[in-house]
Amino acid sequence: GAGVSQSPSNKVTEKGKDVELRCDPISGHTALYWYRQRLGQGLEFLIYFQGNSAPDKSGLPSDRFSAERTGESVSTLTIQRTQQEDSAVYLCASSPQWGGGNQPQHFGDGTRLSIL
Amino acid sequence: SQQGEEDPQALSIQEGENATMNCSYKTSINNLQWYRQNSGRGLVHLILIRSNEREKHSGRLRVTLDTSKKSSSLLITASRAADTASYFCATENNAGNMLTFGGGTRLMVKP
Repeated sequence: GAGVSQSPSNKVTEKGKDVELRCDPISGHTALYWYRQRLGQGLEFLIYFQGNSAPDKSGLPSDRFSAERTGESVSTLTIQRTQQEDSAVYLCASSPQWGGGNQPQHFGDGTRLSIL
Repeated sequence: SQQGEEDPQALSIQEGENATMNCSYKTSINNLQWYRQNSGRGLVHLILIRSNEREKHSGRLRVTLDTSKKSSSLLITASRAADTASYFCATENNAGNMLTFGGGTRLMVKP
């Protein structure tokens, strides 16, 4: 079956522009996560969606960052007025997430964002 | 701050040798997971060890968990050049809905 799909794979844009990143999770996975990974570093949590519950936005670094998810399907991460510090790989992951956890997360290959 | 911290940050070994990576964390956990990331790719789940487990094996991988010391280790035996990647530990919170990742260990296996 298909894994987590992210698009675009690469995005180069000028400082100040808005960007929209897309994530298609594995079908049936109720939990969806966005992470940011700067070069050579670990993953930084951004936002978490679980079913129809209100998303956990506690990791978003500023109000320029927002994310939406329609039901249990596609999610988009939007960065407004991009700055050079936003340059990173943005990774999406999904998980079945039934009660009690203990489920691995399945990752896409990420979107490499470069702000000029 | 990161929950998990890997040690060493980088490791270089010869093919056939064993590689050991360590992870320390700070708060109570539901489980601890190890992931691998090849250059330019997403993370791939390797193994999950629950908080009530002490050791787990999967092929050439062996993971230990010591909750009293809040630490875990990943051992890769008989390493291969294809094992070259970054390895991350991640701890799941007690609610079972959030993973916190460490900074990773960059492993290079020389042929």
